[in-house]
Amino acid sequence: AQSVTQLGSHVSVSEGALVLLRCNYSSSVPPYLFWYVQYPNQGLQLLLKYTSAATLVKGINGFEAEFKKSETSFHLTKPSAHMSDAAEYFCAVSEGGATNKLIFGTGTLLAVQP
Amino acid sequence: KAGVTQTPRYLIKTRGQQVTLSCSPISGHRSVSWYQQTPGQGLQFLFEYFSETQRNKGNFPGRFSGRQFSNSRSEMNVSTLELGDSALYLCASSVPSNPGQFFGPGTRLTVL
Repeated sequence: AQSVTQLGSHVSVSEGALVLLRCNYSSSVPPYLFWYVQYPNQGLQLLLKYTSAATLVKGINGFEAEFKKSETSFHLTKPSAHMSDAAEYFCAVSEGGATNKLIFGTGTLLAVQP
Repeated sequence: KAGVTQTPRYLIKTRGQQVTLSCSPISGHRSVSWYQQTPGQGLQFLFEYFSETQRNKGNFPGRFSGRQFSNSRSEMNVSTLELGDSALYLCASSVPSNPGQFFGPGTRLTVL
């Protein structure tokens, strides 16, 4: 069965610093991979997705992620953190095909210090 | 395009009652999925509907059910509510040709 592991349930960075949120997946075939962000009392917003077209994926709000098959990783980065980036981030995997079912990681709460 | 809408946004029920939550997908999206989010279990898949047919189901008891209408709107029902059903219930819609789901704001269910 597909699974996703997010290392670090809490990450704290200073404003302007690099943001790195880690995600590893377990799959024998290249899956679809996603990063979502959730602000307090809101639903999930799609940041970016990997669908095998390109290994470096750019998303909204300056975020990007690189698919590395050899490491089964899909880490999320942003060169310079902004206060508005403080939120919870979820990595998710989908098998694709006939289902859109997503399997989520446990989430990483990002705090941005002034 | 309007996003995914869910009603009601907040709901308080007591144990043993039943509840129905509603979801209207993005126009043109025929696939609707439901997820339960709790602090302890995280985000868990409930079920997925496509063209009024359930095509995938998560590991939840039979008290959780859903349906989809011909206009792609979906409802989920929870019968005989338990305290542990308190959660944020999220609905998401998508199209087969474009991987990735778009989520609504959720319905916050509190069971007392």
